[in-house]
Amino acid sequence: EVQLVESGGGFGGGLVQPGGSLRLSCAASGFTFNSYEMNWVRQAPGKGLEWVSYISTSGNTIYYADSVKGRFTISRDSAKNSLYLQMNSLRAEDTAVYYCARHSYSGSNYGFDLWGRGTLVTVSS
Amino acid sequence: DIQMTQSPSSVSASVGDRVTITCRASQGISSWLAWYQQKPGKAPKLLIYAASSLQSGVPSRFSGSGSGTDFTLTISSLQPEDSATYYCQQANSFSPTFGGGTKVEIK
Repeated sequence: EVQLVESGGGFGGGLVQPGGSLRLSCAASGFTFNSYEMNWVRQAPGKGLEWVSYISTSGNTIYYADSVKGRFTISRDSAKNSLYLQMNSLRAEDTAVYYCARHSYSGSNYGFDLWGRGTLVTVSS
Repeated sequence: DIQMTQSPSSVSASVGDRVTITCRASQGISSWLAWYQQKPGKAPKLLIYAASSLQSGVPSRFSGSGSGTDFTLTISSLQPEDSATYYCQQANSFSPTFGGGTKVEIK
């Protein structure tokens, strides 16, 4: 089955204090992970979607939203078919469901064609 | 960043009605626009890419149109399972942005 499965946050946990750190993982299966550009997209409770970060197939090209630049780091491990998001200096406004999202094979102009179920990150004291 | 403005923010319609949602970009994005459907507690689902191309497996009652700055998502005959929030997303840059969403409810 073609799927993305996030972990590291959690709907029963994933609570971190302001200023803390958390690492999210996204396990890909059912497709050739190395061939796809990947992203993280988040959604604050009751709010809309916000793109967070992008990584190219090789990992050599990376982009971040201004809201997380300098605090978050995206990476990928082809051997493990996994995508990661290291989140440091967390703030209350980073509280959200974080989705792993795959770009269409045709490229980034064609949208995100596969999404994980998401993992909840709560930043609170 | 390119700003995306959707309207209306919510719409209530009856089964079988035609529903139209609009999305406006703050600058021209050619045809690089995608539409997503999101149901409560679920991940978004890609409906339309490149403004008017239907994603595989999506019912043909969904259609998209537009180019430049103005785009439209149309549901030709609303079905109960179409109750959801719909988002547009510009795919013209490596800093993609989403519209604020349109909640579609069934009367």
